[in-house]
Amino acid sequence: QQQVKQSPQSLIVQKGGISIINCAYENTAFDYFPWYQQFPGKGPALLIAIRPDVSEKKEGRFTISFNKSAKQFSLHIMDSQPGDSATYFCAAGGSARQLTFGSGTQLTVLP
Amino acid sequence: DGGITQSPKYLFRKEGQNVTLSCEQNLNHDAMYWYRQDPGQGLRLIYYSQIVNDFQKGDIAEGYSVSREKKESFPLTVTSAQKNPTAFYLCASTSYSGANVLTFGAGSRLTVL
Repeated sequence: QQQVKQSPQSLIVQKGGISIINCAYENTAFDYFPWYQQFPGKGPALLIAIRPDVSEKKEGRFTISFNKSAKQFSLHIMDSQPGDSATYFCAAGGSARQLTFGSGTQLTVLP
Repeated sequence: DGGITQSPKYLFRKEGQNVTLSCEQNLNHDAMYWYRQDPGQGLRLIYYSQIVNDFQKGDIAEGYSVSREKKESFPLTVTSAQKNPTAFYLCASTSYSGANVLTFGAGSRLTVL
């Protein structure tokens, strides 16, 4: 199975800081790269997603940076807030049944 | 509000017992999915269904079974053949079979005693 490698496994950031989570994929046929946010005891929810025809997508404080040649993409959370404390999953693939998920990053934002 | 309802939220089972997890959606979505989530691992696809009365195995289907008799419902049975069933199970749906935006339920946590 094609893997998606996510790092770091856990991340602690001070309030107001920048949180950065990285993912790397193998399959060059992948054409959809979402990030999901999951709070404890809840299901994941789509946060932001990107297609490989652009190198960056920004929604509010959340930005995806995409490097097609390196087969890497990352999530940047600007001005991180305690309410952003959650587990973040990257994924890569095409349609939903083709998505491969990363192992997750537990983000803690300290007040 | 539209969404996905999973029940029960917590379930305990003795070894050798089958257990069925419920998943109901009122989003009028065509496709439904079951994922398994283990600590430190990503979500892994167990089964998916694109239309009523049809379903396909995902990456880790062994020891699981599903049915799709109604568009709104996609129950998952964890059988005694599943070697390591303790996990967090997530049901999801998409508006049509080729869509990629997953809507997830709140999950069911199964613990085998």
